[in-house]
Amino acid sequence: NAGVTQTPKFRVLKTGQSMTLLCAQDMNHEYMYWYRQDPGMGLRLIHYSVGEGTTAKGEVPDGYNVSRLKKQNFLLGLESAAPSQTSVYFCASRRDSGTGSGAFFGQGTRLTVV
Amino acid sequence: AQSVTQLDSQVPVFEEAPVELRCNYSSSVSVYLFWYVQYPNQGLQLLLKYLSGSTLVKGINGFEAEFNKSQTSFHLRKPSVHISDTAEYFCAVSRYGGSQGNLIFGKGTKLSVKP
Repeated sequence: NAGVTQTPKFRVLKTGQSMTLLCAQDMNHEYMYWYRQDPGMGLRLIHYSVGEGTTAKGEVPDGYNVSRLKKQNFLLGLESAAPSQTSVYFCASRRDSGTGSGAFFGQGTRLTVV
Repeated sequence: AQSVTQLDSQVPVFEEAPVELRCNYSSSVSVYLFWYVQYPNQGLQLLLKYLSGSTLVKGINGFEAEFNKSQTSFHLRKPSVHISDTAEYFCAVSRYGGSQGNLIFGKGTKLSVKP
């Protein structure tokens, strides 16, 4: 069982370039999330989705866009990368929220913007 | 809104010693509580969770946590740590029945186990 898979694992971008991070889950989970992790800041929610075709903003959405065209995939886009977006990005999925199910995380994408 | 405070950013401890990682939360509604562990260069994995019932929750790798509603705390403990427990630990809350379902994380506690 693959769980949550993120691609790519590492990427270096130049300021102003664009890229898309892909998250795929094989657990038929409804909820999917994108977090960024920065030293001393914990994990901060960028965007999330409560089902196929739905997306919503989290705590730090500026500079990012997302799409969830298929239930199993959640894409995070950076249209014009900035050095402030250098971070480790984690995707997570969760079956639901009402029963207290835990979230499953991918291995992360380490992004450096120079 | 919910918030989570992890009181120690770093906890150094010797091997086979007991450890407690502290977590306090703030919420005006009922919440679920979680502890996650992150080993170097890896994603987060669930250590344990509190949903309801017994306030003492046992998790993987010999960890346990105690929910204290009056003190709004959910401290993580292990009676005897190993070198392999060196990792970063995150406390998180999720609103009971919330439509968003997202987890609110603390800033993490780095546990460093020394021989």
